[in-house]
Amino acid sequence: RKEVEQDPGPFNVPEGATVAFNCTYSNSASQSFFWYRQDCRKEPKLLMSVYSSGNEDGRFTAQLNRASQYISLLIRDSKLSDSATYLCVVNGKDSNYQLIWGAGTKLIIKP
Amino acid sequence: NAGVTQTPKFQVLKTGQSMTLQCAQDMNHEYMSWYRQDPGMGLRLIHYSVGAGITDQGEVPNGYNVSRSTTEDFPLRLLSAAPSQTSVYFCASSKTPRLAGGTLNTQYFGPGTRLTVL
Repeated sequence: RKEVEQDPGPFNVPEGATVAFNCTYSNSASQSFFWYRQDCRKEPKLLMSVYSSGNEDGRFTAQLNRASQYISLLIRDSKLSDSATYLCVVNGKDSNYQLIWGAGTKLIIKP
Repeated sequence: NAGVTQTPKFQVLKTGQSMTLQCAQDMNHEYMSWYRQDPGMGLRLIHYSVGAGITDQGEVPNGYNVSRSTTEDFPLRLLSAAPSQTSVYFCASSKTPRLAGGTLNTQYFGPGTRLTVL
């Protein structure tokens, strides 16, 4: 089992719709969780950190479910500019300095 | 601030050649790291540094060397290039390497180097 797993997609979603995707992780002791966004042929950029209580940033909501070991990302009122690959990131089991990256979920917003 | 810069943006090597990928940051970040990104896989950590003079291995260090003589620069050296090293390489930095309140500081990435080894 991969340490961090994501559905690769692509998720094809009409503009204005709500879309959600999950990411599962294997290390029950993980403390740090993030969603990064990566545009085609560009570098990853932090979208949001994921806190135990869940957090919201505008149209984006991230949640953590420790019992089932997954994090989720919800995008409301999707925009064409939301088209990207969303990377799930969790700190590694062997080190505080190492992050484990999922392979990403590709999202395509259609007009 | 330029942020994190990487050179070159593209490189083609022949098997057995050596080269250095350059990475620099002007944000006075303590932590710097190198990743490779391959299709269908997550970013994998090659080497990282928690400060000048300190480096350590990540998940996939074989075939690569690093050094950190200054806070700003963190070059990655390919000793003898192999086709398996064809990949996109990203350098990243963050303010502190330590977990703070249970979360690592945001990592800022350079634009990447696309390397092909023939």
